[in-house]
Amino acid sequence: DTEVTQTPKHLVMGMTNKKSLKCEQHMGHRAMYWYKQKAKKPPELMFVYSYEKLSINESVPSRFSPECPNSSLLNLHLHALQPEDSALYLCASSQTAGETQYFGPGTRLLVL
Amino acid sequence: KNQVEQSPQSLIILEGKNCTLQCNYTVSPFSNLRWYKQDTGRGPVSLTIMTFSENTKSNGRYTATLDADTKQSSLHITASQLSDSASYICVVSDNTNAGKSTFGDGTTLTVKP
Repeated sequence: DTEVTQTPKHLVMGMTNKKSLKCEQHMGHRAMYWYKQKAKKPPELMFVYSYEKLSINESVPSRFSPECPNSSLLNLHLHALQPEDSALYLCASSQTAGETQYFGPGTRLLVL
Repeated sequence: KNQVEQSPQSLIILEGKNCTLQCNYTVSPFSNLRWYKQDTGRGPVSLTIMTFSENTKSNGRYTATLDADTKQSSLHITASQLSDSASYICVVSDNTNAGKSTFGDGTTLTVKP
């Protein structure tokens, strides 16, 4: 299995809602990533988990809260988001941090 | 500051033609350089990865080159197809900040019939 899966594919939420994005991989990778991508821009790194521990937080606002329940799963909890947070959220994984990353299809998020 | 610059920003070619995309970087110390293809609204897909000692890598009609001395890479696409229309992103990793890669802004390629 060489796939990273993400759910949901699309999400519309109000500024007072709480929602979660989910990411899963079964390649035995020990590094997992969250990226945010705006239209016509490259992905921007948000968080990196290495061996289930948060290793990088790119000064992301606290309304985004990552969680790594086990080596195959990565969640991104969303609370009190702003309209400017609307974007494509990509999850990726790699064997270890710094190696080739395999990206999921992304979750298209719209904050109203 | 680590930087990756890609050129051209966008490119339009006719189906069947070849093209070459460029990537210049100032990432140090260098670990690896990867080229990704990203279709609109989808996640990036890895095309090639090269380390310091590799100067060319092929994946079907895609051939990447790396000159570690001049810190330049290119991605050559042969006999383009309509499905090659996408954004091509160059990503460079360093040895000091594992997991933190530097992304180029990408080249948007449009292949027309």
